[in-house]
Amino acid sequence: SQTIHQWPATLVQPVGSPLSLECTVEGTSNPNLYWYRQAAGRGLQLLFYSVGIGQISSEVPQNLSASRPQDRQFILSSKKLLLSDSGFYLCAWRGYTGELFFGEGSRLTVL
Amino acid sequence: AQSVSQHNHHVILSEAASLELGCNYSYGGTVNLFWYVQYPGQHLQLLLKYFSGDPLVKGIKGFEAEFIKSKFSFNLRKPSVQWSDTAEYFCAPPRDYKLSFGAGTTVTVRA
Repeated sequence: SQTIHQWPATLVQPVGSPLSLECTVEGTSNPNLYWYRQAAGRGLQLLFYSVGIGQISSEVPQNLSASRPQDRQFILSSKKLLLSDSGFYLCAWRGYTGELFFGEGSRLTVL
Repeated sequence: AQSVSQHNHHVILSEAASLELGCNYSYGGTVNLFWYVQYPGQHLQLLLKYFSGDPLVKGIKGFEAEFIKSKFSFNLRKPSVQWSDTAEYFCAPPRDYKLSFGAGTTVTVRA
């Protein structure tokens, strides 16, 4: 069966520090992968999606970047965090019937 | 960019009341439509989906949704809610996930 994991679950970082959130999927190959940010009252904002290794599409200009170094690995990064980067980040992969499967989420607090 | 809008941000109901959450999308082609739910402390998960055929689709836990093509709507309904239906509900962008979700609707059911 397919599983998706993301870590760390919780992260507290100072302003200006780097960020790396990792997401891995098991049990499937060449999945479409997604990074979302969930904020109260603003729903699920799509940040990045990837249809294959090295293929990243960005939906919102921001201080973040994403990479897909391996088929089932999706990384969300920042070189210098801003206060506004605080939030709940979700990774997801798209199943064969179009359903999204979400990870557990990563809560980022920038101080 | 968003191609889906949800009308209600917070709905408060009593048990046994009926629930209807509105979702409208702005896409004129073939659509695949989904509703997701996030129960407190849990992952986002699929509630129901529509691909084609009968425009009235059934989902988990007694939920249903009706696709009305002429109105570009995919409203979610449940005839009689329970306390356990307290959750956040998201209408997904049509056809693909290369866009952000709607803002979500928080449903609070009072016992």
